Amino acid sequence: EPEVTQTPSHQVTQMGQEVILRCVPISNHLYFYWYRQILGQKVEFLVSFYNNEISEKSEIFDDQFSVERPDGSNFTLKIRSTKLEDSAMYFCAIPYGTANYGYTFGSGTRLTVV
Amino acid sequence: GESVGLHLPTLSVQEGDNSIINCAYSNSASDYFIWYKQESGKGPQFIIDIRSNMDKRQGQRVTVLLNKTVKHLSLQIAATQPGDSAVYFCASASWGKLQFGAGTQVVVTP
Repeated sequence: EPEVTQTPSHQVTQMGQEVILRCVPISNHLYFYWYRQILGQKVEFLVSFYNNEISEKSEIFDDQFSVERPDGSNFTLKIRSTKLEDSAMYFCAIPYGTANYGYTFGSGTRLTVV
Repeated sequence: GESVGLHLPTLSVQEGDNSIINCAYSNSASDYFIWYKQESGKGPQFIIDIRSNMDKRQGQRVTVLLNKTVKHLSLQIAATQPGDSAVYFCASASWGKLQFGAGTQVVVTP
């Protein structure tokens, strides 16, 4: 099962500030996903990214959000102007295998907006 | 004090007993289902999956049952251990995107 590293593990930011969350898979993947989990709630889909383009996004993923693959390996989620309600755990995920179609999740970034 | 967020259903089970966690899904187009385990402060961890053309799949100490007629999924954990204490989520997949259920908190008591 491939590993996925996310940085930072915890970020505290002031409302209105920009944050960049990073995801680094061990091996190259064309597909990436970002999910969000507000404390105590279920995991929610944000966006899927295939071959350097957004393939699907949810209603949560508004104009304040963007995703990039700046150097071919890192995969970033940017929130341009954070709001209090953006406080959550953010997970990136990659699919693996051809038989299982499972998803490996990173350990997450806890974003706290104050 | 005031609680924030959804109150997760909790399953309390004695160590050594079997656990059954249930999940209902709504999307008839889902063709793939996964159970995840999430420990505090960590990301969801894959446990077992099942395709829509199957009704049962077994892994190590875990069994997933799928009833497409009533859109119901269950996870059975045999001989539950303290390390099984976590939140368990079911997820359905359609066109690569996962839709998660609300989760069940499993508490294993000695």
